[in-house]
Amino acid sequence: ETGVTQSPTHLIKTRGQQVTLRCSSQSGHNTVSWYQQALGQGPQFIFQYYREEENGRGNFPPRFSGLQFPNYSSELNVNALELDDSALYLCASSPRQGDNSPLHFGNGTRLTVT
Amino acid sequence: GQNIDQPTEMTATEGAIVQINCTYQTSGFNGLFWYQQHAGEAPTFLSYNVLDGLEEKGRFSSFLSRSKGYSYLLLKELQMKDSASYLCAVGAQKLVFGQGTRLTINP
Repeated sequence: ETGVTQSPTHLIKTRGQQVTLRCSSQSGHNTVSWYQQALGQGPQFIFQYYREEENGRGNFPPRFSGLQFPNYSSELNVNALELDDSALYLCASSPRQGDNSPLHFGNGTRLTVT
Repeated sequence: GQNIDQPTEMTATEGAIVQINCTYQTSGFNGLFWYQQHAGEAPTFLSYNVLDGLEEKGRFSSFLSRSKGYSYLLLKELQMKDSASYLCAVGAQKLVFGQGTRLTINP
């Protein structure tokens, strides 16, 4: 069973640039969520994707957007990067949408904005 | 809204017992999760409580009181590898996390 994989592992960008982060969900999981984790903080929910549509969004501006593909993999896009966007971005998948099954997290992408 | 509080840091001794508390305020309640996160790694699932009471799983136990908005994670027979951050989270899949408790185990 393949777990959640994310790429790249590390990324350095300049303020104002755009970035795309990628996630492959665990085999058999159809729901993908993205979280932002600042240093020393708990993860914050960005949004969730189910059946290729956004299914819930946290308190993040529209420059944070995403996609889910037919194979359930997902992308997180961030436009007009700001210094405060520097964080660990975690992708998590779950086997079914809406129930209480635990999330399975990837190791994350560490984004540094300079 | 939702608010979750847990201590920022705790220290314990190898072989001992430690209890990490979590209090929460939510507009609705779907359950409470505990995750473990080693530095630079993904959070991994430890426990889930939706009903009041104690859930035991090996060296780890988790307790929930919905009326008090309170949970704790109990770690027994501490090992050095238990040094990690412990995250309390409420919700279903759209989780709201606390800031995490960084636990350091000393020999």
